[in-house]
Amino acid sequence: DGGITQSPKYLFRKEGQNVTLSCEQNLNHDAMYWYRQDPGQGLRLIYYSQIVNDFQKGDIAEGYSVSREKKESFPLTVTSAQKNPTAFYLCASSKFANEQFFGPGTRLTVL
Amino acid sequence: DQQVKQNSPSLSVQEGRISILNCDYTNSMFDYFLWYKKYPAEGPTFLISISSIKDKNEDGRFTVFLNKSAKHLSLHIVPSQPGDSAVYFCAAKPTNTGNQFYFGTGTSLTVIP
Repeated sequence: DGGITQSPKYLFRKEGQNVTLSCEQNLNHDAMYWYRQDPGQGLRLIYYSQIVNDFQKGDIAEGYSVSREKKESFPLTVTSAQKNPTAFYLCASSKFANEQFFGPGTRLTVL
Repeated sequence: DQQVKQNSPSLSVQEGRISILNCDYTNSMFDYFLWYKKYPAEGPTFLISISSIKDKNEDGRFTVFLNKSAKHLSLHIVPSQPGDSAVYFCAAKPTNTGNQFYFGTGTSLTVIP
């Protein structure tokens, strides 16, 4: 079945550690996105990529990094520079300018 | 600066009645609008969309209305069912920024049996 997978579903990190969240899609979508959701807030865009080897910062890119070496994959690294990383992270993809399809999300907790 | 706003954080409706969820936007360059439904600890799922060339789009129990002059859209769910209880996000896309979407803060809908 086509879709978007995110792993792991839950992730715990100690302060000062970098962690990488995985996002894979087999929908043949060109664009991929990373969002962060905090309680009572909407989805805030971290990074997005419209084609392989190219990506743009979203509204809250500080403390995060991404890569887009393959069309199917768009991993997000939460670095130690991100001061408040505990949140629910959502990956999405889209074909052209149509609706985005979302993965199931990863809940990151900093201990 | 929040360009897409959902001013009602929550809404409760009796089963069988109409649910109306509202969304306002500030950017006149937005030309494509979407509604998503989200259950806790899951990713949002697409519900319905509307282009700025239309003022209404219907899909089964879901209808989206767009008032461009007021920069306002609404989602009507008729009749509401308990399974509709979820958080609903509206989203908008401008013509000049490729594939970037802007999301509202969400409205939590509870349908009471």
